[in-house]
Amino acid sequence: SAVISQKPSRDICQRGTSLTIQCQVDSQVTMMFWYRQQPGQSLTLIATANQGSEATYESGFVIDKFPISRPNLTFSTLTVSNMSPEDSSIYLCSVVGVSGGSYNEQFFGPGTRLTVL
Amino acid sequence: GDSVTQMEGPVTLSEEAFLTINCTYTATGYPSLFWYVQYPGEGLQLLLKATKADDKGSNKGFEATYRKETTSFHLEKGSVQVSDSAVYFCALSQRTSGSRLTFGEGTQLTVNP
Repeated sequence: SAVISQKPSRDICQRGTSLTIQCQVDSQVTMMFWYRQQPGQSLTLIATANQGSEATYESGFVIDKFPISRPNLTFSTLTVSNMSPEDSSIYLCSVVGVSGGSYNEQFFGPGTRLTVL
Repeated sequence: GDSVTQMEGPVTLSEEAFLTINCTYTATGYPSLFWYVQYPGEGLQLLLKATKADDKGSNKGFEATYRKETTSFHLEKGSVQVSDSAVYFCALSQRTSGSRLTFGEGTQLTVNP
């Protein structure tokens, strides 16, 4: 498996502001994803973070609201822009393609718990 | 598109009871199937997986068998413990869609002493 860390682990923000979440992996991985988990609900994929190119967004998510960077094979950031209370969720990054792992095994970070007031 | 349906929760059991959490899926082709567990305040952990029909995934006393004829991947454990209290997610991925996971709704399990 891989050791995945996220910063911050939690934050309370004011509406209209932006927050950048970092995801760091302890080894190079093939793919990185960002998910949102709204309170009491399942996970929804926001986007695939592509190394060196623009992220691939799922239906209902746009780059202006959730800009994503992936400058190398071990790091990615997700920004939640112009936040509203509806953005209060847990945001999780995940990775695929860990050395020694199966191609389809996906490992998750601990999540960032965001509350927007 | 692909979808995963889990039994409605929450589920409350006494320690040492038998556990079944139902999961069915709709997908084209031959997806890989997974169970993830989320303990309170934590991220998701991969519990077990199966990649082809009739495969049985197992881990920590939990088992699930990939049943293509019934498009199911039910999670079972013979004797649950208080420490198994968590939310369990069934999920699938397709190699053709870049390994993106499609999750079920999640099932909250509470085990009482």
